[in-house]
Amino acid sequence: AQSVTQLDSHVSVSEGTPVLLRCNYSSSYSPSLFWYVQHPNKGLQLLLKYTSAATLVKGINGFEAEFKKSETSFHLTKPSAHMSDAAEYFCVVTAYYGGSQGNLIFGKGTKLSVKP
Amino acid sequence: GAVVSQHPSWVICKSGTSVKIECRSLDFQATTMFWYRQFPKQSLMLMATSNEGSKATYEQGVEKDKFLINHASLTLSTLTVTSAHPEDSSFYICSARDPEVRPKETQYFGPGTRLLVL
Repeated sequence: AQSVTQLDSHVSVSEGTPVLLRCNYSSSYSPSLFWYVQHPNKGLQLLLKYTSAATLVKGINGFEAEFKKSETSFHLTKPSAHMSDAAEYFCVVTAYYGGSQGNLIFGKGTKLSVKP
Repeated sequence: GAVVSQHPSWVICKSGTSVKIECRSLDFQATTMFWYRQFPKQSLMLMATSNEGSKATYEQGVEKDKFLINHASLTLSTLTVTSAHPEDSSFYICSARDPEVRPKETQYFGPGTRLLVL
């Protein structure tokens, strides 16, 4: 079965410093992977997605993620954090079992805090 | 592109009443829509998958008579919480797939509806 683990429930960085949000996945198939961001009391916004076309995926707002099959990881990075990046981030993998073909499996989320 | 709206954004109702939440895909036709529930400080929990013109598929443990889902058109799905009780209070989020987008599993989310049942 597919699963996704976000290794940190909370990450705190200073404005202008790099951001690293870690995600490991488990899948018997070649997965599609996503990162979504959720600001307080808002819906989820798609940051980026991996589809096997390229291992380094560029998303919106300066975020990137690299798919590493050998490490089963899909970590999210940004060179320089901005105050507006403070939010909850979800790593997501596609499900391929039973009747759940193509549904999404969400990680528990990582809360990113950005200090001035 | 790929904008999903929800209405209302928040609703307060009395226990025992029913509440309808609408989810619309504004700039694409969505053959499949999803309804999620999110508890405070938790991840999203899939409630049901809604396919246009057919019955919704509910996840295990979700009462289909409690949470009625209708997907009558390619741009609209509705979730009706029937005989709402305080334990139904939650943040409900819908999403939709754009069949033209790859990977096909990509979902676009609405802004959510906060339901408070008194």
